Amino acid sequence: NAGVTQTPKFQVLKTGQSMTLQCAQDMNHNSMYWYRQDPGMGLRLIYYSASEGTTDKGEVPNGYNVSRLNKREFSLRLESAAPSQTSVYFCASSEWGADEQYFGPGTRLTVT
Amino acid sequence: GENVEQHPSTLSVQEGDSAVIKCTYSDSASNYFPWYKQELGKRPQLIIDIRSNVGEKKDQRIAVTLNKTAKHFSLHITETQPEDSAVYFCASNSGYALNFGKGTSLLVTP
Repeated sequence: NAGVTQTPKFQVLKTGQSMTLQCAQDMNHNSMYWYRQDPGMGLRLIYYSASEGTTDKGEVPNGYNVSRLNKREFSLRLESAAPSQTSVYFCASSEWGADEQYFGPGTRLTVT
Repeated sequence: GENVEQHPSTLSVQEGDSAVIKCTYSDSASNYFPWYKQELGKRPQLIIDIRSNVGEKKDQRIAVTLNKTAKHFSLHITETQPEDSAVYFCASNSGYALNFGKGTSLLVTP
């Protein structure tokens, strides 16, 4: 069991470029989440998918889009990257919402 | 939206002492309260959680207490060890989502 995997581990973008962060889980979990972590700000929810076929906005969705491709995969897209999106991005999954969330290893993104 | 406040933001204790971290939440419908530990450069990992139908839960040196009336919950670590040094996050659920506190950086000095 790999758990939750994320690609890439590191990425540097120029302002205005686009990219997609990939996340996959092999635990047959229903719910998946994308967070960003900035120093002193904790973990802030960007988007989540309560179950396959649904997505909802979290606390900080502006500038991002998501796709729940299937039960295993949940991707996060930055259409036009901005320096304010420099952060560490974590994907997580849980069996259902109010359950232990398992986190991926994170993607460190720098936008210059 | 849901607000989770966590205190203190930093905590330094000597090895063997106890550490207490406190959180308050605002959504009266919250019924799940996990605590995560994050070591430097690593992913957050669950260390203990509690549901609203119990007031206290223990796992070896770690315990969590919940006061639903006052909407606060606390993490207690006894007999701290240097390997307990990390950032700790509390969270509460709001529907399918978790709202996290801003974290407490715990340093345990030998």
